[in-house]
Amino acid sequence: DGGITQSPKYLFRKEGQNVTLSCEQNLNHDAMYWYRQDPGQGLRLIYYSQIVNDFQKGDIAEGYSVSREKKESFPLTVTSAQKNPTAFYLCASSIDRGPDGYTFGSGTRLTVV
Amino acid sequence: GNSVTQMEGPVTLSEEAFLTINCTYTATGYPSLFWYVQYPGEGLQLLLKATKADDKGSNKGFEATYRKETTSFHLEKGSVQVSDSAVYFCALAGYNNNDMRFGAGTRLTVKP
Repeated sequence: DGGITQSPKYLFRKEGQNVTLSCEQNLNHDAMYWYRQDPGQGLRLIYYSQIVNDFQKGDIAEGYSVSREKKESFPLTVTSAQKNPTAFYLCASSIDRGPDGYTFGSGTRLTVV
Repeated sequence: GNSVTQMEGPVTLSEEAFLTINCTYTATGYPSLFWYVQYPGEGLQLLLKATKADDKGSNKGFEATYRKETTSFHLEKGSVQVSDSAVYFCALAGYNNNDMRFGAGTRLTVKP
């Protein structure tokens, strides 16, 4: 079955460390997205990519970085510059144009220890 | 820019009660409208969608009608179950899909 896979499900980071969250899809979708969700809050867009080797900043890109070397993969690095990284991170994908909406992964919960 | 405003929660209902979660939007052009559901500790799942005015999306007993005249897409279900307890997000996207806007989410709790 096609889908979108995020790993790990839980991740713990020490102060000052960079960590990378994985997102892989086998839906042949062109576009991929990273969102951050804080408790009781909606979704805020971090980065998105519509094509390989290209990506755009979202509303809260500071302290994060991404790459898109393959169509299937869109990893997110949470850098030490992100001062409050504890959150639930969601990856999504979609076709580039059209009304089908987004397919979401099951999320990664990142906690700073 | 495009935006979505949805009813603040939390909403608590008894089993078999009628559910309405209000959603209104602001958009240029003709966006598509969506309702997503998020169960605890999981990602969002598409519940239903509508792509043009007067379309009705439906799934698992939930319905929503795209009302252009009132810029609304309210979610309804005639008889909720305990298993419907989740957070519900209203969203809109233009044709290019790269700017989907989400509401803040409404937490629904259904008690037996």
